[in-house]
Parts: sequence; structure tokens; C-alpha cells
Amino acid sequence: QSVVTQPPSASGTPGQRVTISCSGSTSNIGSNDVCWYQQLPGTAPKLLIFKNSQRPSGVPDRFSGSRSGTSASLAISGLRSEDEADYFCAAWDDSLRGGVFGGGTKLTVL
Amino acid sequence: QVQLVQSGAEMRKPGASVKVSCKTSGYSFGAFYIHWVRKAPGQGLEWMGIINPNIGDTTYSQKFQDRIVMTSDSSTSTVYLELSSLTSEDTAVYHCTRDVGFWSANGMDVWGQGTTVTV
Repeated sequence: QSVVTQPPSASGTPGQRVTISCSGSTSNIGSNDVCWYQQLPGTAPKLLIFKNSQRPSGVPDRFSGSRSGTSASLAISGLRSEDEADYFCAAWDDSLRGGVFGGGTKLTVL
Repeated sequence: QVQLVQSGAEMRKPGASVKVSCKTSGYSFGAFYIHWVRKAPGQGLEWMGIINPNIGDTTYSQKFQDRIVMTSDSSTSTVYLELSSLTSEDTAVYHCTRDVGFWSANGMDVWGQGTTVTV
């Protein structure tokens, strides 16, 4: 059971906007930056968002991130079939003195 | 190009140990920390620990503290993960991944392909 909570699933149709939430506490998201990772089936995770809202080069601007208080969210606009993947948020936890990942959200494009 | 190439799949009996390697290339070995992250079937990503390859300094997740060792070999630009006292719950895909700092806000930008460990 992760200390950072994500909905297990999300879905949308092509072209739609979907949002994935990530809920933590003052010891992790509330005091440390959040990153988001995308994991396509059978592949290694890929960095999608760093420093809460920054995109690495090559990541489309359809992907955006935000953080407020003890929560963070990932938004995907103009949904495409290739966005079907697992999405994980991550942050450092000062109490645990370790990194924590959310449980992951499986995104289905209908 | 920057690459992290991991060793092949391993199968162990309960109680045994396993050692997984992660050979880095395409960048200055000592300039990046290396994390180990695993994903068990049907589970999410789990952070196991981090090593500074320059000096071998490590920080481990409390969950694995008693049975994990991370080491580095600068002569081959390789980092190792050893996990002992294996149980069926350690069956997972293990990834190494680099970070410019000790859990920097810049995230883990390059990942190894993963090593499947079956117990």
C-alpha cells in the first residue's frame, strides 16, 4: 500500500482531455517536487514530467503537470491511442527518508 | 548515446540471493546517481535505493535495509544490485535508472531495460 495514492484506472476517447490525480501528505508531495512517469506495456518507464510541471525535450505539450498542497495531477489533452499506458507519480518522502511512487493509473483509450 | 544495459533474467529458489548488473555508457559515470526500482506483477513501481557511483555511498529503502547491497565499479562503469533472502514476493522486473542528483527534482531520465527475477 503506497503512501501516495492514485486512481487505479482512467479512460477517455480520442481527442478528449483526461486528468490523473496523485494524493500524498506533507512529508512527500507537500514538501517535495513531483515527477510523472509513463510506462507502455513491456517497456521501461519514461520520464514525462519533472519539477511538477516541466517537460523533458521530446515530450509533447499535450502532457502537463501541476502540484498544489499535498496533491499533484497529470493532464493529457488531445488523447491519442498511443497514450494508453500506466502512469506513476513520484516524490521524495522526508519521513520515510526514501522515494515513493504512487500505485499507478492504467489509462485506457476507448 | 546514453545507455543503461542490464544483465539477463534470473531464476532463484527461496532463501537464495541474486545479483543484477547495470552497465552504463555514453556519459561520465560519476556524474549521475543510480536508483534501483522494481515492479512486481500487478503492482506499482517501488523504489529500492540509490548509490553515488563516485564514492559508493548508498541509501536504501527501509523495506530492504537488511538484505540489499548496491555497489559500483568505476573501471567498468557498472553498478550492481544484490538482494538476499529472496521470497516469492521478490519476483519482479528490476530497473536501474540514473538521476543527476540524490533524488533530484529533474527526475530519472534514462532507464535500463529491466531484469526479470523469478523466485
